[in-house]
Amino acid sequence: AQSVTQLGSHVSVSEGALVLLRCNYSSSVPPYLFWYVQYPNQGLQLLLKYTTGATLVKGINGFEAEFKKSETSFHLTKPSAHMSDAAEYFCAGGGADGLTFGKGTHLIIQP
Amino acid sequence: GAGVSQTPSNKVTEKGKYVELRCDPISGHTALYWYRQSLGQGPEFLIYFQGTGAADDSGLPNDRFFAVRPEGSVSTLKIQRTERGDSAVYLCASSLSTGLAYTQYFGPGTRLTVL
Repeated sequence: AQSVTQLGSHVSVSEGALVLLRCNYSSSVPPYLFWYVQYPNQGLQLLLKYTTGATLVKGINGFEAEFKKSETSFHLTKPSAHMSDAAEYFCAGGGADGLTFGKGTHLIIQP
Repeated sequence: GAGVSQTPSNKVTEKGKYVELRCDPISGHTALYWYRQSLGQGPEFLIYFQGTGAADDSGLPNDRFFAVRPEGSVSTLKIQRTERGDSAVYLCASSLSTGLAYTQYFGPGTRLTVL
């Protein structure tokens, strides 16, 4: 079965610090991977996606992620956290018939 | 431009009742997806349409759940004989077509509460 695992349901960082949100996928998941962000009472917004080509993917709001096939990982990073980054982040993988999501990581930014 | 819209934003119903949840996709998007997000969980795939037909309904939990898209645009998710376990946020997404090159754009969701 396909699965996407996000390590850490809550991650807390200081403003200006590095953000690292971890995502691992099962090998049965097609190697098409996504990160979505969900702000309170809003829909999911695509941050970035990996389909083919360059393994380092840059997204919106200064986020990037690196696809590492050998580690079955797709971790999300941002060099310097901002208060506006506080939100729920979802890693997802899958094919044309719908996405498989992780359980989400709640990112908390400490002032 | 207008994004994906869903109505109602909140729906409270009693156990055993019938509910309909509506999704208006982005104009011109042929693919439409329904997901369910329970508290503390990521969205779970329910069903997707390519045009008017349900291309994959393998995520529907049981036969109380049904979805239609009669004209290839608006879709309605129908839940019969609701149960408390159906309480969740129901998300709709649309994309230009199926396939990974096409980003799924999500609506704000409908929060369903079954008392």
